[in-house]
Formats: sequence, structure tokens, C-alpha cells
Amino acid sequence: SAVISQKPSRDICQRGTSLTIQCQVDSQVTMMFWYRQQPGQSLTLIATANQGSEATYESGFVIDKFPISRPNLTFSTLTVSNMSPEDSSIYLCSVEGSAAYEQYFGPGTRLTVT
Amino acid sequence: GQNIDQPTEMTATEGAIVQINCTYQTSGFNGLFWYQQHAGEAPTFLSYNVLDGLEEKGRFSSFLSRSKGYSYLLLKELQMKDSASYLCAVMWSGGYQKVTFGIGTKLQVIP
Repeated sequence: SAVISQKPSRDICQRGTSLTIQCQVDSQVTMMFWYRQQPGQSLTLIATANQGSEATYESGFVIDKFPISRPNLTFSTLTVSNMSPEDSSIYLCSVEGSAAYEQYFGPGTRLTVT
Repeated sequence: GQNIDQPTEMTATEGAIVQINCTYQTSGFNGLFWYQQHAGEAPTFLSYNVLDGLEEKGRFSSFLSRSKGYSYLLLKELQMKDSASYLCAVMWSGGYQKVTFGIGTKLQVIP
């Protein structure tokens, strides 16, 4: 299984500012995923990040609001831009395992926007 | 689109058996996951069903009926540490493999 770390683990930010969340994996992976889990809600996929190509965003999410970088096969960042209280959520990084159905999650970043 | 339904909350007694149901409607269905998520933690993988039938893994079993769009997670010999949310999720093909999660069932195990 992959070991995934995220930074920061939590943060409290003011509206209008931006926060960049880092995701580090202990092995090389092709696909990395960014999810959001709002309070009392399920996980919602924001985008899929492949190394060497532009991230693919799901309906309702745009690059200007959630820019993603994927500079190599073990690292990715998600930026939450121009934050509002509605962005308060847990943001989770996820990667595929060796089998196609395997998916491992990072510990999450708990973001509170005031 | 994808639609996943599961009960929002359940309560069960320590040592008992509990069944958490999940129904889904999706195109391009490939398989169904169950994840466990303790409060404040990331989800952890429990099972993945592709074919119809029951798969047992220790105290946890997962069942799938593709024709009925139905799955359940069976937890036996419940322990207090099993108190968590249980997420049903479907993998489907939308150009590439995608996973859509249900809202999760919050299970409370009581003494």
C-alpha cells in the first residue's frame, strides 16, 4: 500500500486568501486525485492529476479556483484560491494502488475559512 | 449520472451483526467499494466487489448484485471500534475510471 502525507494537516484562513495543500507519496504513481469532503457530506472528486499533463476537473470545479500542479510522479499540490467560508472542508489526496481498484487516501487537510 | 443511496445513520449493539445497505444507479459500472472512515480520519479500504455474490474478509463481508444495483456490508461480532462511517462507492467508466462516493452511513456501536 502507498503511504501518503499531506501538508498542512489543518489551517484556518481568512476569506479572499489562497492556500496550497501538498500531497507526497512514498512511491511513484501515475494518477493522483483530489477530493473534497464538506461537513456532513460525502467525498466529491475535484480533479484528477496526471504527471506531465493538465489536470482534469470534474463538473462544478474549475482550474482558476482549484489550480493543481503535478511536477513529478510522487508529488502534487492543490491550491484553493480566493477562499470563502463555503470552501471550509476536508481536502483529501488519493492515489491508485498497484491494482486498478485500489485507492489510498492521505490523512486530509482540514480547512476552515473565516 | 451516478446515484448512490445508503442510510445516514444506524445503531447496533456490541457483539451483534449489522447490515449496511447500498443501492446505486450508474452507467458504465465496473465495481463497488466499501470504505471505513473514523471521525476526523481518512477513509480506509474495506472491500471491492466486481462480481455478484458474497465476499468474506474476517468479520466483514460484502455482497453485490449487479442486476439489482444493490450491495451490502455485513459486520459481525461488532466491536466498539467499529463505530465509524461506512462509505459505499462505485467505480464507473467515464472516459477513464472514476469513483463516486455515497454520503456514508454513520454506525454507532453501543454497549
